Formats: sequence, structure tokens, C-alpha cells
Amino acid sequence: GAVVSQHPSRVICKSGTSVKIECRSLDFQATTMFWYRQFPKQSLMLMATSNEGSKATYEQGVEKDKFLINHASLTLSTLTVTSAHPEDSSFYICSASEQGVGYGYTFGSGTRLTVV
Amino acid sequence: DAKTTQPPSMDCAEGRAANLPCNHSTISGNEYVYWYRQIHSQGPQYIIHGLKNNETNEMASLIITEDRKSSTLILPHATLRDTAVYYCIVRVLEGNKLVFGAGTILRVKS
Repeated sequence: GAVVSQHPSRVICKSGTSVKIECRSLDFQATTMFWYRQFPKQSLMLMATSNEGSKATYEQGVEKDKFLINHASLTLSTLTVTSAHPEDSSFYICSASEQGVGYGYTFGSGTRLTVV
Repeated sequence: DAKTTQPPSMDCAEGRAANLPCNHSTISGNEYVYWYRQIHSQGPQYIIHGLKNNETNEMASLIITEDRKSSTLILPHATLRDTAVYYCIVRVLEGNKLVFGAGTILRVKS
């Protein structure tokens, strides 16, 4: 079945630095990928839709200058958390769908970001 | 906003069927219903999805009411490893997005 690889699985960074998270579809092409954030004991919150070759679409309340998304190829999307602060500490998860209506969405295994 | 409502938690005895309900009364005609589950600190795992007809796969069955305003996920023989948060999601047509609700915590007990 479809596999989405997310890297790194865990990262600790200092406040004020930037962190890049990669999301790859391993055995299918994905024109669209999605980025979510999940705080402890909460559900997943959709942050943005990553579109191959064009600008990402951000959900209301998500700062596009803070969470930079690049979708340079049909198999790779990256999320960069810029000038990270402790309140950005969270579980970040990506997902991708094979092209076509009716396909399932495959999720990555998530990235645990801790900002100290 | 999520278009689904689920009970916050449910218990099920090991070996018995787990029936997880979901209300989606505002669903529109060509919006799919998806079910995922999430085990602690992992990415959500796809279970099943459907539009109008009931669906079955190796993991579960999805029963959708005729008016499509609700559905039930059935795990036929629950095991301890099925303990997880189960999310019922209506795929948003605009952008084909999955917007998660709060989900149901299913606890399978021996």
C-alpha cells in the first residue's frame, strides 16, 4: 500500500532557530499534501494544504510566514518552522493522497518537535 | 470545522464486535466518509471510507444509513491492539481536505 515517510521523527531545537520537516510519498505521486499539528490530548488540526508547483493554502489563523511550506516535486513536501518558540512544540503530521477521487489519504508517522 | 459528532469514549470486551457511531447530518451528496484511528504518538492509520454503499475490508465494515446522516464503523472481533482514538471524518469538497473532529477513544478490555 501507499507509504508516506516523514523525517525526522523527533527534533529538539533552541528557541529562535528554524526546523525543517520532510514528508515524502514513497511509492506514489502526490500533487497535494497536507500538514497537521497535534497538541497533547487534542485532535489533529489542519494547518495547510501543500500544492506541487504552487503556493500552499493555509487554514485560518495559521501564520504562513512562520510555517513555510515548499512542495517542489510530486513526492516531497517540506514544512519549515521559522524562529521557533516553546509554544510551537507539538506533534506535526503530514498526509498525502494518490491522485484520483475515492483514494484514501496516507499519513506519515509524525514529527515530535520540542523547542527549548 | 469538523462535520462529524462522535461519542468521546467507548469500552468493548476483547473478542466482541466494536460498533462506533458517527453523526454527519450536514453531509452533502458527494462527500465521502472516512474512518481513521490513531494510536498514541503515531500518525493516523486508514481504516475504511465510503460514499453511499456499505463497505467492508480486512479491518472493518462501514455501515452508512440510507439518508447518509450517520454511519457506524464495525470492528468484528476487537483485540487489545484495537485500543485507539477513532476518527470519523467527512472529506471537505473544497480542497479535498480531511478535517478531524475530536474522535472516540475506544478501550478494548480483556
